Amino acid sequence: GAVVSQHPSWVICKSGTSVKIECRSLDFQATTMFWYRQFPKQSLMLMATSNEGSKATYEQGVEKDKFLINHASLTLSTLTVTSAHPEDSSFYICSATTLDTYEQYFGPGTRLTVT
Amino acid sequence: AQSVAQPEDQVNVAEGNPLTVKCTYSVSGNPYLFWYVQYPNRGLQFLLKYITGDNLVKGSYGFEAEFNKSQTSFHLKKPSALVSDSALYFCAVRDMNTGFQKLVFGTGTRLLVSP
Repeated sequence: GAVVSQHPSWVICKSGTSVKIECRSLDFQATTMFWYRQFPKQSLMLMATSNEGSKATYEQGVEKDKFLINHASLTLSTLTVTSAHPEDSSFYICSATTLDTYEQYFGPGTRLTVT
Repeated sequence: AQSVAQPEDQVNVAEGNPLTVKCTYSVSGNPYLFWYVQYPNRGLQFLLKYITGDNLVKGSYGFEAEFNKSQTSFHLKKPSALVSDSALYFCAVRDMNTGFQKLVFGTGTRLLVSP
């Protein structure tokens, strides 16, 4: 149980275009989903926290208009990188949790490369 | 603010030998502590957690961790390392200052197990 999927697993896009990454909880309802960014050989940096049906809470320094997060249902959250630039290239990981658990369940990650 | 520190960037151990990956924490109140493992280009996999109870916590894949309140440590251990244990290990603490079950991660420790 407690499986989280991400789609796509990797994506290459051109500078200036937008990319959408999906995060789904497959066998449970996720009241909260988190989006992280990870640079090579570095730790995870929390970008934002999203709760179903409400606006995401962004961490300091994360551009809200650039990284659009939507959490429209209890099983799906999306991260859209708008007007992507090469510096947005990174490994993006989502996680999901429920109210009655202390654990976060992580997706397999999405590698974004902007050319 | 809640934080965890992983003082070692890398730990090298020979297969069959015991391993320890260190983590110390700084929290206000009771700590909720976690260990996760990450294999290349993958998301994080949960290993174990400490919420309350016995100081020795047993987790997945033969790993265990010892909670030491006086030393504010939560070191990850395994009696006999396998080459397949080579990966990136993250210690994390739940941020109790928010209602969103945020996790604060350490910088990660790369474990290399040699044959």
